[in-house]
Amino acid sequence: GAGVSQSPSNKVTEKGKDVELRCDPISGHTALYWYRQSLGQGLEFLIYFQGNSAPDKSGLPSDRFSAERTGGSVSTLTIQRTQQEDSAVYLCASSSRTSGSWDEQFFGPGTRLTVL
Amino acid sequence: GDSVTQMEGPVTLSEEAFLTINCTYTATGYPSLFWYVQYPGEGLQLLLKATKADDKGSNKGFEATYRKETTSFHLEKGSVQVSDSAVYFCALIRGYQKVTFGIGTKLQVIP
Repeated sequence: GAGVSQSPSNKVTEKGKDVELRCDPISGHTALYWYRQSLGQGLEFLIYFQGNSAPDKSGLPSDRFSAERTGGSVSTLTIQRTQQEDSAVYLCASSSRTSGSWDEQFFGPGTRLTVL
Repeated sequence: GDSVTQMEGPVTLSEEAFLTINCTYTATGYPSLFWYVQYPGEGLQLLLKATKADDKGSNKGFEATYRKETTSFHLEKGSVQVSDSAVYFCALIRGYQKVTFGIGTKLQVIP
C-alpha cells in the first residue's frame, strides 16, 4: 500500500518488559514523527526525524523511551521497562515536500499498547 | 509554546443538524491550521486545512476559516450525517515541525 504502516497493531505486555514498535513511512518521505494518544489526553508529540539531521527528542517523556530511524526510512520506537502509564496508542506520521507542502502529515493506523 | 484549545465533547446531534466545533490557538508566527478526523477503529485523516489568514478549508461539506484576529479555526457543517460520527482534532503546525493537537471532540450523530 501507499500509506504509512505500523506494526504490531496491538501489543499486550507485562510491566517491566521492553517493547519495540515499528513504523514504515510513505516511500520518499523524509520527515517522520511519533505521537502518543492516551485516553482523555489527546495526542502528544514524542519525537521527530528529518533527513540526516539530529532528531527532535523534546517530547520523549522519560529516558525509557528511545527511537531510531535506519537508512532514512523505517523507524523503531523502543520503550524499556514498560509501566502501566505507557498504555496508549502510538501513532507514526510522515511528510515530504513532494506531498505539496511540508506541513501535511500522513498518519499510520497506530499501535495499541497495553501494559498489564 | 504553541497550544490548541477545542471544545470538549462529546457532542450529540440529530441527523441534519448544524455542527460547530470551536477551536482557538496560540502560536508565534504564521502557523498552518488543520482539522483531522478519526473514525471509529481507523487512523487519523486530514479533513481540511488552511495555510494563511482568511483562507477557508473545506472538504466533505465541512468548512473552517482561518481567523487570525480571533486566533480561531472553528469547524462547521450545515447538515451532519450519521457517518460523520467520529473524533475531530484541531491542530496547528509551523513549518515542518511537530503538529500541536487539541484534545479532540467526539461527535455522535443519531438518526
